[in-house]
Amino acid sequence: DAKTTQPPSMDCAEGRAANLPCNHSTISGNEYVYWYRQIHSQGPQYIIHGLKNNETNEMASLIITEDRKSSTLILPHATLRDTAVYYCIVRVGQNNRKLIWGLGTSLAVNP
Amino acid sequence: EAGVAQSPRYKIIEKRQSVAFWCNPISGHATLYWYQQILGQGPKLLIQFQNNGVVDDSQLPKDRFSAERLKGVDSTLKIQPAKLEDSAVYLCASSSTVGGANEKLFFGSGTQLSVL
Repeated sequence: DAKTTQPPSMDCAEGRAANLPCNHSTISGNEYVYWYRQIHSQGPQYIIHGLKNNETNEMASLIITEDRKSSTLILPHATLRDTAVYYCIVRVGQNNRKLIWGLGTSLAVNP
Repeated sequence: EAGVAQSPRYKIIEKRQSVAFWCNPISGHATLYWYQQILGQGPKLLIQFQNNGVVDDSQLPKDRFSAERLKGVDSTLKIQPAKLEDSAVYLCASSSTVGGANEKLFFGSGTQLSVL
């Protein structure tokens, strides 16, 4: 079973920041949080990952709470092309080998 | 660089028929995954290869599904015989590392299978 819970859907206005929450209250100390997204009719695409520190790349920022029980993916200036299902995943197993995917959040960016 | 290639893009078969899917990973990627994604759900791992060896096939229904990765490059996933519940998108992914905290998966566009 997935170790994460996410809201099933969210809306965001184009040009505004999209903040996607994820709960992972049972995460272990050495387990990473990953975010992927899946645009309709395409395969998932890697976005970002982190352990305990906040991370930023060209696509997004990842904010992980100090107790590591939740995180937020931030798309700073959402565009229509960011409309997708966003998956928050905790990497589990020996050597952090497995990704267990949940149902994700369907983000709709509106003009 | 070229991405993960999958074919066919779509396949429609009748139950009890056989079907095969093909995947060509990104050049140089040692690890290859096959996932099954049922409509409205997240991907579910079927099998993981490292080069031409199987790392994890614990969720592969071995009575009807088989997969191979000869020569550690291309891979084929077969279903024989197909059931109605096999209707799904079959995704292939590859990575340059074997698991680990910093592994990034690169996915193909998938094969959408409809079993009638």
